[in-house]
Amino acid sequence: TQLLEQSPQFLSIQEGENLTVYCNSSSVFSSLQWYRQEPGEGPVLLVTVVTGGEVKKLKRLTFQFGDARKDSSLHITAAQPGDTGLYLCAGAPGSSNTGKLIFGQGTTLQVKP
Amino acid sequence: NAGVTQTPKFQVLKTGQSMTLQCAQDMNHNSMYWYRQDPGMGLRLIYYSASEGTTDKGEVPNGYNVSRLNKREFSLRLESAAPSQTSVYFCASSRVGSSYNEQFFGPGTRLTVL
Repeated sequence: TQLLEQSPQFLSIQEGENLTVYCNSSSVFSSLQWYRQEPGEGPVLLVTVVTGGEVKKLKRLTFQFGDARKDSSLHITAAQPGDTGLYLCAGAPGSSNTGKLIFGQGTTLQVKP
Repeated sequence: NAGVTQTPKFQVLKTGQSMTLQCAQDMNHNSMYWYRQDPGMGLRLIYYSASEGTTDKGEVPNGYNVSRLNKREFSLRLESAAPSQTSVYFCASSRVGSSYNEQFFGPGTRLTVL
């Protein structure tokens, strides 16, 4: 069974601080996605990374896919209260063409003003 | 476009009662999914449908059944609800041929089984 382990599970920081969330697996994924979920809503896709070593930036968010395509990280610079939410990583198994994704447990981020 | 819609938004059931959660998408996606979300456990796949007319079990299918009514609609049925099925249920869809399997989610159904 393929698993994605996210860390930390919970993070509470002050506005302006930087943070990194990690998503690790022993399995290879053909692509990896990051979703953000706000209370009472469904997850919304932030980014997809597909190439080993790939780095993508979305304003203050930087996403990286590991060289071996087994891990990923999300770095937020100068966090703001609006960044508060649940961040989920999800991997597409390399051998699957069904559209299925494997989700991590999620990281709950709280940014205090 | 409404994207993915789910009904109802909230539901309270007694143990043993049955109910059907409805999901519809207007993005012409072939694949649809049902997940449950519990604290600290991320999203766990219950059932999915890779195309109209096909359904397959996910990670946690016990106690659930699904119907892919047509390309747009994918319903989830609880035949005899149990307290362990108290959760938030999300429906999602994705585009056939999408090599990245990007999924689009509905707003969720919050189910409590007493």
